[in-house]
Amino acid sequence: DQQVKQNSPSLSVQEGRISILNCDYTNSMFDYFLWYKKYPAEGPTFLISISSIKDKNEDGRFTVFLNKSAKHLSLHIVPSQPGDSAVYFCAANGNNDMRFGAGTRLTVKP
Amino acid sequence: DAGVIQSPRHEVTEMGQEVTLRCKPISGHDYLFWYRQTMMRGLELLIYFNNNVPIDDSGMPEDRFSAKMPNASFSTLKIQPSEPRDSAVYFCASSFGRFHEQYFGPGTRLTVT
Repeated sequence: DQQVKQNSPSLSVQEGRISILNCDYTNSMFDYFLWYKKYPAEGPTFLISISSIKDKNEDGRFTVFLNKSAKHLSLHIVPSQPGDSAVYFCAANGNNDMRFGAGTRLTVKP
Repeated sequence: DAGVIQSPRHEVTEMGQEVTLRCKPISGHDYLFWYRQTMMRGLELLIYFNNNVPIDDSGMPEDRFSAKMPNASFSTLKIQPSEPRDSAVYFCASSFGRFHEQYFGPGTRLTVT
């Protein structure tokens, strides 16, 4: 029962270009969404979040977009840097439930 | 604050042995979570505590798994007896509030042979 899906296990992008990571959810009760970044041998770290009352939240090079009708969110990184290479997890909260996606491995090539 | 602290960082044990993983959350946080990460299933929530009380353990895979939080600064996840399929990275995380961003520890890589 995967209520939060990250359908792309990996993504490769050239340095300086845009990285777009996608996440889909099925539970319409989810109302708060987060993105975490994880480097090897470390725990995930919080990156950015968005509430369902918004459709966009921006923090520097990172922007999260939420499309509630499509139950879809995306993380845009622009410009991408080699240090952004990591595994990115999306998470969805709501209705006393919280779920993580399986993660997408982003590789930014110099 | 030093962040969430987990020990050990690596654990190798034989099938059938008892394994205890330890976690010290960030001071002041009222929620503590235990996760397991595998290649197949990504990050799975096993159990979480609020103010030291277990709230939801529906993610605990079997009775072989148990978790305790005797006080606000310490929690354990125990597997007894351990099996090879328990091999994974186990993360502890804490937060202030149920749905706020969580702070993760570095994880414990468990290998059961």
